[in-house]
Amino acid sequence: DIQMTQSPSSLSASVGDTINITCRARESISNSLNWYQQRPGEAPRLLIYTSSILHNGVPSRFAGSGSGTDFTLTISGLQPDDSATYYCQQSSRARTFGQGTKVEIK
Amino acid sequence: QLVESGGGLVKPWGSLRLSCAASGFAFNTYTMNWVRQLPGKGLEWVSSISSRSSYTYYVNSVRGRFTISRDNARNSLYLQMDSLRVEDTATYFCARDLPLGGVGAFDFWGQGTVVTVSS
Repeated sequence: DIQMTQSPSSLSASVGDTINITCRARESISNSLNWYQQRPGEAPRLLIYTSSILHNGVPSRFAGSGSGTDFTLTISGLQPDDSATYYCQQSSRARTFGQGTKVEIK
Repeated sequence: QLVESGGGLVKPWGSLRLSCAASGFAFNTYTMNWVRQLPGKGLEWVSSISSRSSYTYYVNSVRGRFTISRDNARNSLYLQMDSLRVEDTATYFCARDLPLGGVGAFDFWGQGTVVTVSS
């Protein structure tokens, strides 16, 4: 299995801030990287697929980048609604999730 | 809509069969998946099945104990779980593959069913 490592494991930021969450694969996965948002008590929601393509209905303040082993999820103009845990997931070989990054709004 | 059922409390080495009822989309054209979330922890992909059941895949930790299947006539997905272990305790989600070949992202999820393995 391809191990995925996210950092940081948690962060706290203010409304309007820009934050970055990184995801590193143990081996190259090309651009086979997807991002999810999960609010407490809810199912995960797909935000971005194939590293940088915004899923339908996802606000443009979310953006993804990267290829190979290093990827970034950027949230610009943080909103209270963005308080959640974010997961990366590789789909190059089988499927593996990162351990998650909890985002708290101050 | 994806609605899971069949979760519950089971003893170690016991069995359980999860079901996922799909509606509102052409179920028989989508690869489907099971993803689990351990209590207070992250997500783990468990298994996938192609649209016509030609291909099935499993995470190493469940291979040989769990069996994924589907009935396209009933718009239903299943997960037969045998030889259950305490570490299988989790919320199990049914999830649909994004209908773009080879992307491997999960674009639609059920609300989950809870499986507890305890003596």
